[in-house]
Amino acid sequence: RKEVEQDPGPFNVPEGATVAFNCTYSNSASQSFFWYRQDCRKEPKLLMSVYSSGNEDGRFTAQLNRASQYISLLIRDSKLSDSATYLCAVNSAGRRALTFGSGTRLQVQP
Amino acid sequence: GAGVSQSPRYKVAKRGQDVALRCDPISGHVSLFWYQQALGQGPEFLTYFQNEAQLDKSGLPSDRFFAERPEGSVSTLKIQRTQQEDSAVYLCASSVDITTAGYTFGSGTRLTVV
Repeated sequence: RKEVEQDPGPFNVPEGATVAFNCTYSNSASQSFFWYRQDCRKEPKLLMSVYSSGNEDGRFTAQLNRASQYISLLIRDSKLSDSATYLCAVNSAGRRALTFGSGTRLQVQP
Repeated sequence: GAGVSQSPRYKVAKRGQDVALRCDPISGHVSLFWYQQALGQGPEFLTYFQNEAQLDKSGLPSDRFFAERPEGSVSTLKIQRTQQEDSAVYLCASSVDITTAGYTFGSGTRLTVV
């Protein structure tokens, strides 16, 4: 079993829709959690960190469920420009390395 | 510089050839990371430097892979006797200090071994 797992998608949604992705992690010692966005043939870019209490940045909301070992990303009012692959990343206490999922592809359609 | 700079942007190597990939981190960034990203996959950790010290090289797939950061700034990832399975995008990332876990990636070097 992979340490970090994501549904590869694609998620095809119309503009204006709300879409949510989950990411499960297997290492209970995981300490920090992130969502990255990656456009085709580009580098991953940090979208947001995920805090225990949940956090919001505009149309994006991230949540952490430690008991069930997953993080989620909710995108409201989807825009065409949100089309990308969304990668979750996790790191464990004492390690600087991030472990990434394989990504979930989102395609927002007009 | 304004961001993490990697060169070359693309590299085609014949199987068995040695390659060297360069990373210029953001000026003053203490931490530097190398990742390998195969097509359709997420980045996979290769190695980590704090200044010039290589503190974690647990992700290097074989002894053909070697990384250095001799002056705590520019880093080079060297792959000896390249194999087809080494074809991937090699991403470098840096962060300002050792406590910042989310970091900034460079544009990567796309290596194709033929």
